[in-house]
Amino acid sequence: DGGITQSPKYLFRKEGQNVTLSCEQNLNHDAMYWYRQDPGQGLRLIYYSQIVNDFQKGDIAEGYSVSREKKESFPLTVTSAQKNPTAFYLCASSPNRADGANVLTFGAGSRLTVL
Amino acid sequence: GENVEQHPSTLSVQEGDSAVIKCTYSDSASNYFPWYKQELGKGPQLIIDIRSNVGEKKDQRIAVTLNKTAKHFSLHITETQPEDSAVYFCAGDSNYQLIWGAGTKLIIKP
Repeated sequence: DGGITQSPKYLFRKEGQNVTLSCEQNLNHDAMYWYRQDPGQGLRLIYYSQIVNDFQKGDIAEGYSVSREKKESFPLTVTSAQKNPTAFYLCASSPNRADGANVLTFGAGSRLTVL
Repeated sequence: GENVEQHPSTLSVQEGDSAVIKCTYSDSASNYFPWYKQELGKGPQLIIDIRSNVGEKKDQRIAVTLNKTAKHFSLHITETQPEDSAVYFCAGDSNYQLIWGAGTKLIIKP
């Protein structure tokens, strides 16, 4: 079955540690996204990539880093510079449509808790 | 840039009744307005979308209406069922990205 796989589902980290969240898709989508979700707020875009070896900052990129070395993979690193990293992280992918009507397919999410 | 506001934040309806969630947007250049449903512990999933050249779209018990002049669009769910309980997000496109509303938690009372 085609879809997006995020791992781990739950992750605990001590302050000062970097952590990497995995996101893999087998939908052959060009574009991939990372969102952060906090209670009572909409999805906030961290980073996105429209093509391999290229990515752009979203609205809240500070304290995060990404790479896009392969079309199917878009890992997110939460660095120690991120002041409030405890959140639910969602990865998504979509075809690249010129008209902007991109239907996003989401993974099941990764919940990061900083102790 | 685009700003999307969504109301209400929580909506409780009796099973079998209708539910309506409303969103407003600010960017008159936005052309695409999807609605996503997020069940507990899962990622959001597209349930219906509408383009700016259409005023209404239906899919079984779900419908979306768009008023471009007033810059608002709404999700209508009729004959609500327990499986409709979830968080619903609206969004509008801006510069090939989606700008999201804050979400509405829909509770279906038995």
